[in-house]
Amino acid sequence: EVQLVESGGGLVQPGGSLRLSCAASGFTFSSYWMSWVRQAPGKGLEWVANINQPGSENYYVDSVKGRFTISRDNAKNSLYLQMNSLRAEDTAVYYCARAPLFYLDYWGQGILVTVSS
Amino acid sequence: QSALTQPASVSGSPGQSITISCTGTSSDVGSYNLVSWYQQHPGKAPKLMIYEDTKRPSGVSDRFSGSKSGKTASLTISGLQAEDEADYYCCSYVAYRTLVFGGGTKLTVL
Repeated sequence: EVQLVESGGGLVQPGGSLRLSCAASGFTFSSYWMSWVRQAPGKGLEWVANINQPGSENYYVDSVKGRFTISRDNAKNSLYLQMNSLRAEDTAVYYCARAPLFYLDYWGQGILVTVSS
Repeated sequence: QSALTQPASVSGSPGQSITISCTGTSSDVGSYNLVSWYQQHPGKAPKLMIYEDTKRPSGVSDRFSGSKSGKTASLTISGLQAEDEADYYCCSYVAYRTLVFGGGTKLTVL
């Protein structure tokens, strides 16, 4: 059974940093692109970032470029999102998702990140 | 990376069919056969319902179907059931491995 479990969320002050993790199991993690998607409270879904299988390619939505970094450790079956210079508008539930091609077939349960003073 | 356009809400009675539209541009929906649809119940993670415009993942009811014409993709749900009440999001490949979602549509089963 495919499982994706996010961790590392919480309350952080504006300008601060946070690192999200996503533990994957039930599939060959190193064979798949992976993504992060977020959802602000009461709002819709927003794709945030993608990373390829070896971790050599990554892509971001314009609003997080230069502030967020997606990475992975295939030996640990883990996906990460390093978030720096956080803003109030980054407040959201963050989901990790498996991306076989250009769609997202399995999602984690999500983790809340709150940026507030 | 502008969001795709979806109606804010649609509704239907049990047993009826409804269609949710998703309008993009020639740079996303109109350029690739790569629209996907997601169902999200309150407080839950999204679930993949349709991928590559028309394909249905294993385990998804055949009451759900996808189509596309030009820059507009559509999700049709036939034989509406109470459990179909949820938010629905379309998503399209844009370019350079980036994705864009629609604003979401709230489906109410009357």
